[in-house]
Amino acid sequence: DAGVTQSPTHLIKTRGQQVTLRCSPKSGHDTVSWYQQALGQGPQFIFQYYEEEERQRGNFPDRFSGHQFPNYSSELNVNALLLGDSALYLCASSSDAGAVGIYGYTFGSGTRLTVV
Amino acid sequence: AQSVTQLDSQVPVFEEAPVELRCNYSSSVSVYLFWYVQYPNQGLQLLLKYLSGSTLVKGINGFEAEFNKSQTSFHLRKPSVHISDTAEYFCAVSSNSGYSTLTFGKGTMLLVSP
Repeated sequence: DAGVTQSPTHLIKTRGQQVTLRCSPKSGHDTVSWYQQALGQGPQFIFQYYEEEERQRGNFPDRFSGHQFPNYSSELNVNALLLGDSALYLCASSSDAGAVGIYGYTFGSGTRLTVV
Repeated sequence: AQSVTQLDSQVPVFEEAPVELRCNYSSSVSVYLFWYVQYPNQGLQLLLKYLSGSTLVKGINGFEAEFNKSQTSFHLRKPSVHISDTAEYFCAVSSNSGYSTLTFGKGTMLLVSP
């Protein structure tokens, strides 16, 4: 049973460019959350998708947007990349957005984005 | 809103010694508490979680944690560490109602040496 799959694993982009990161949730999970983990920091919540809608959003600018597809997979898009966007981007899936604490998250291995 | 403070950024320890990683949280509502481990170049793996009931929670790989509501703490312990326990450890909190998400601390790097 595959867990959470993220692609690509590594990515190098230039300032000002746009990037799309992809996530396939664990089988049976319907909720996808995205986190940004800067070097030496804990993961910071970006947003959460459930039933193809953005349910919650953290303190990130509108340059960060996302999408969830009918098969529950998700994309994270970042426009006008800044050097400060360099980080590990983690996708986490769970079952039932309203009970994350009970069912917990399953994390992917992340996409390492470097902005130069 | 919730917040998590991990008091130590690095904890060096010798193999087979006991270890405690400290975590304090702040929240205006009741919470669930978690510890995750991150090995180099990997995602996060759940070690253990506190939802309710007994304040002593046992997790994988011999780790345990104790929830102390009066001190708003959830410290992680292991009686005897191995080299393979070297990793980054994150404490996290979520609200126990509504569409909750995880709020993480900055992490503690556990460095186990022979």
